[in-house]
Amino acid sequence: NAGVTQTPKFRVLKTGQSMTLLCAQDMNHEYMYWYRQDPGMGLRLIHYSVGEGTTAKGEVPDGYNVSRLKKQNFLLGLESAAPSQTSVYFCASSYDGGTAGLYFGPGTRLTVL
Amino acid sequence: GQQLNQSPQSMFIQEGEDVSMNCTSSSIFNTWLWYKQDPGEGPVLLIALYKAGELTSNGRLTAQFGITRKDSFLNISASIPSDVGIYFCAGQGGSNYKLTFGKGTLLTVNP
Repeated sequence: NAGVTQTPKFRVLKTGQSMTLLCAQDMNHEYMYWYRQDPGMGLRLIHYSVGEGTTAKGEVPDGYNVSRLKKQNFLLGLESAAPSQTSVYFCASSYDGGTAGLYFGPGTRLTVL
Repeated sequence: GQQLNQSPQSMFIQEGEDVSMNCTSSSIFNTWLWYKQDPGEGPVLLIALYKAGELTSNGRLTAQFGITRKDSFLNISASIPSDVGIYFCAGQGGSNYKLTFGKGTLLTVNP
């Protein structure tokens, strides 16, 4: 089992460019999440999904879109990147909505110049 | 929304010392979780707590679910250099599918 994987690991964008971060999990989990981590801010929820074909907004959804076309994949899109979106992005999944914990991916470090 | 206050923000200790950190909330939680994040990696679950008053150990780590259900504590005994990292508390309340995370405690262990 690979668990939760994220692609890419690092990326540098210019302001206004777009990109998609890919998250994949092989644990057949229903729930998937995207978090961003900034120094001193902890983990903040961007969007989440409670099953294939569903998405919902978290705490900081502005400037991001997501899609869950397949159960095992959760995509995070930035349509027009801004320097404020420089962060480390973590994908996570769970089978029970988090009560037994979330399984996190290794993260994507994104820099927007 | 729900917020967690985690303290201390950072700790710098000597190898062999014991460590304590805690999280408090203004809301009641049904589940408390403690995670550790190694540098450059994603957080990994250490301990999960499901009942008020529950005390659970995982090796040198011990965590407690507060009686009021608004707080939780994590203790690390006899720290070693590999304990270095960021420790996060997280809570889940009600019937939502999300966890609320604390801002983390950065632990540095001096050999």
